Amino acid sequence: EAGVAQSPRYKIIEKRQSVAFWCNPISGHATLYWYQQILGQGPKLLIQFQNNGVVDDSQLPKDRFSAERLKGVDSTLKIQPAKLEDSAVYLCASSQGTNEKLFFGSGTQLSVL
Amino acid sequence: GQNIDQPTEMTATEGAIVQINCTYQTSGFNGLFWYQQHAGEAPTFLSYNVLDGLEEKGRFSSFLSRSKGYSYLLLKELQMKDSASYLCAVREGSNYQLIWGAGTKLIIKP
Repeated sequence: EAGVAQSPRYKIIEKRQSVAFWCNPISGHATLYWYQQILGQGPKLLIQFQNNGVVDDSQLPKDRFSAERLKGVDSTLKIQPAKLEDSAVYLCASSQGTNEKLFFGSGTQLSVL
Repeated sequence: GQNIDQPTEMTATEGAIVQINCTYQTSGFNGLFWYQQHAGEAPTFLSYNVLDGLEEKGRFSSFLSRSKGYSYLLLKELQMKDSASYLCAVREGSNYQLIWGAGTKLIIKP
């Protein structure tokens, strides 16, 4: 089966610019996650969707980050405006349900200069 | 509170056995995952434990003791390709929130 698709693979922007990431989960997976992973650290959950509803966005910096999952399938994560500390890998993952194992996409490596 | 501890880095020799420990303090435990992450790549699923005991899958085994808040990942017959970070993650609470450790970087030497 096809895995979790993410794009772009790499992105370099200047601070205060905006950026968007796209994710298409595995077909049939109801739960979708966006994680931020800084080098040498574990993934940090930004937002979790169940179908097109938000389950957890407690760690999402809502003044600059936004995410949506229209129609309960693919999702976009946006940062506007970006800061230097946003430099990280942004991972999208999906699972069949909230208690199932996660499948990760290849991630987007973001560099903010 | 939520806390997961893993060693930051470990070194082992090709062909040997290594054990990576994970201790956790969470409320409402709902299972523990181990993921492997090669440098520059996404994490991939290795194992899942929800009951006490040992789960074996080829060269990899994972153990859980819920009463001790402790798990380990055992890697046998180490190969150079096993050089990676190993992430421990615990599900907790009614929302099945997943709490991630910082990962253990495993270096395999010839």
